[in-house]
Amino acid sequence: GQQVMQIPQYQHVQEGEDFTTYCNSSTTLSNIQWYKQRPGGHPVFLIQLVKSGEVKKQKRLTFQFGEAKKNSSLHITATQTTDVGTYFCAALNYGGSQGNLIFGKGTKLSVKP
Amino acid sequence: DSGVTQTPKHLITATGQRVTLRCSPRSGDLSVYWYQQSLDQGLQFLIQYYNGEERAKGNILERFSAQQFPDLHSELNLSSLELGDSALYFCASSVSSGGVYGYTFGSGTRLTVV
Repeated sequence: GQQVMQIPQYQHVQEGEDFTTYCNSSTTLSNIQWYKQRPGGHPVFLIQLVKSGEVKKQKRLTFQFGEAKKNSSLHITATQTTDVGTYFCAALNYGGSQGNLIFGKGTKLSVKP
Repeated sequence: DSGVTQTPKHLITATGQRVTLRCSPRSGDLSVYWYQQSLDQGLQFLIQYYNGEERAKGNILERFSAQQFPDLHSELNLSSLELGDSALYFCASSVSSGGVYGYTFGSGTRLTVV
């Protein structure tokens, strides 16, 4: 089945610094989704990328899908304490199933005020 | 409130017991997915139902089973519980089968096996 590797596992930043998490696959992905889980909360859908080389922005968040559709990144500019949480990428699993999402292990972001 | 309702929020039970977790999907969503989240393993896909039918199975143990009822709510049954089954269990729903649309997650059931 599909696997997505996410790095780094943890990231500690000072408030105001930038943050980037990366998601990689050995196979071509049809799409990729990003989720955020606040401490003690549940994953919340942020965005979906579908096209090769696609770039989408949500305020301070920039999402990119690689040209080969094998990698993706989430970049946060000037982090704030409200950005704290774990960010997951997720991709469709085409390993014989009907397309459920397989999640990366996530990057846990902590922000020091 | 995400629109996906999971009950109970917390469950403490002894080894060897059986529990049932319940999920009501967001209105209009036909697909229900169950995920297990433990500290080391991230979000592990267990099983998916679409409009009452099983669509996909992940790394779900034989001791675990699920079903989706005609009103689209779903139940995850965990039996012969072991300490290692302690985890957060999330239910998610989406409009269609597959990952074309984002999933909406419930707030989860925290299961503690003692």
